[in-house]
Amino acid sequence: GDSVTQMEGPVTLSEEAFLTINCTYTATGYPSLFWYVQYPGEGLQLLLKATKADDKGSNKGFEATYRKETTSFHLEKGSVQVSDSAVYFCALNSGYSTLTFGKGTMLLVSP
Amino acid sequence: DVKVTQSSRYLVKRTGEKVFLECVQDMDHENMFWYRQDPGLGLRLIYFSYDVKMKEKGDIPEGYSVSREKKERFSLILESASTNQTSMYLCAIRDSNYNSPLHFGNGTRLTVT
Repeated sequence: GDSVTQMEGPVTLSEEAFLTINCTYTATGYPSLFWYVQYPGEGLQLLLKATKADDKGSNKGFEATYRKETTSFHLEKGSVQVSDSAVYFCALNSGYSTLTFGKGTMLLVSP
Repeated sequence: DVKVTQSSRYLVKRTGEKVFLECVQDMDHENMFWYRQDPGLGLRLIYFSYDVKMKEKGDIPEGYSVSREKKERFSLILESASTNQTSMYLCAIRDSNYNSPLHFGNGTRLTVT
């Protein structure tokens, strides 16, 4: 079946450092790919998405490129802020109505 | 803005109680979902519904049931709560396009003692 694998956290960075959170997937067909963010005490919010190969999703300084050849959708940001501390989830649509999520990666940014 | 409202942020129940978790949307979306979120396990799908009175089992339906009598409301029912159902429960919605993203509520933190 479909699956999503994310790097385990926590990822600990200093403010203004470069961020990469790795995400790889296994899926049949041509899934859409998503990154969600969850701030403490809240539900998940969509951060960005890509619907086909070589698409780049971007939002709030975060970017991810849909790489079909490596089945990856890595999340990047050039300069993180303390306010980016959260849990990040990679996900793909795995059927006519459901999403499959990775286990999440916690990001901790210190001043 | 999409609004997905879960009736309680925190809930404490006793083992054996019947528990209702409510989710209401204001977007007229066809699809509604219940997930549970546990540390180290990520999000796991319990049930989803693609129309009024229609439901499908997700990955972990055991011990749960659902009800969707109106399009805007999707209820998760724990018939006899157990301590291993202590978790964060998240409701989500999506329109009929399966490439569309899910929109989540803020979650209900359920503790069963």
